[in-house]
Amino acid sequence: QKEVEQNSGPLSVPEGAIASLNCTYSDRGSQSFFWYRQYSGKSPELIMSIYSNGDKEDGRFTAQLNKASQYVSLLIRDSQPSDSATYLCAVTSGGSNYKLTFGKGTLLTVNP
Amino acid sequence: EAGVTQFPSHSVIEKGQTVTLRCDPISGHDNLYWYRRVMGKEIKFLLHFVKESKQDESGMPNNRFLAERTGGTYSTLKVQPAELEDSGVYFCASRTGIDTGELFFGEGSRLTVL
Repeated sequence: QKEVEQNSGPLSVPEGAIASLNCTYSDRGSQSFFWYRQYSGKSPELIMSIYSNGDKEDGRFTAQLNKASQYVSLLIRDSQPSDSATYLCAVTSGGSNYKLTFGKGTLLTVNP
Repeated sequence: EAGVTQFPSHSVIEKGQTVTLRCDPISGHDNLYWYRRVMGKEIKFLLHFVKESKQDESGMPNNRFLAERTGGTYSTLKVQPAELEDSGVYFCASRTGIDTGELFFGEGSRLTVL
């Protein structure tokens, strides 16, 4: 049974559009939720963290968390070609604050 | 400031051989993690060091894997003997001791076992 699931993609959006990335998780005890961006061959880079229900905005990025539905999402507004990457959803598990469980990732392509 | 560095970036070995991967965390980061991504799968936790002590090694696949962090600085992950299913990308990550400290990842060491 998968613990963190992401829409498989690839997701293709035109430049300037909103990209919506979704993630569900199975561990109700998870407390911390993260979105990482990974360019091909590069390290995963943290772009958003969220810890409580609701929305969290940072520039063009908005993370949304619904613990009751065990759902977390990432919206990217005004998508740019430089946003093209794999987006990884990660949640904490096992009672640890930083033992991360990852989804497989969603490949996002922003077309100029 | 240098990020998390890993060496080698890519290693190709034959089944049965030994490989040692190295990770240099960001200076001052007490917490060091190893993760692995095998082809087509998600990134999975292997183990966690706090300074030189293993805090959690629940993700280590079997006793062919040995991780060390002598002196609480750099860490090595040795696979001996390597099997085909060990192929994948091994990521190292580090963070400070602050509870909300961001986890910084290295670019990974790609291991190919033939």
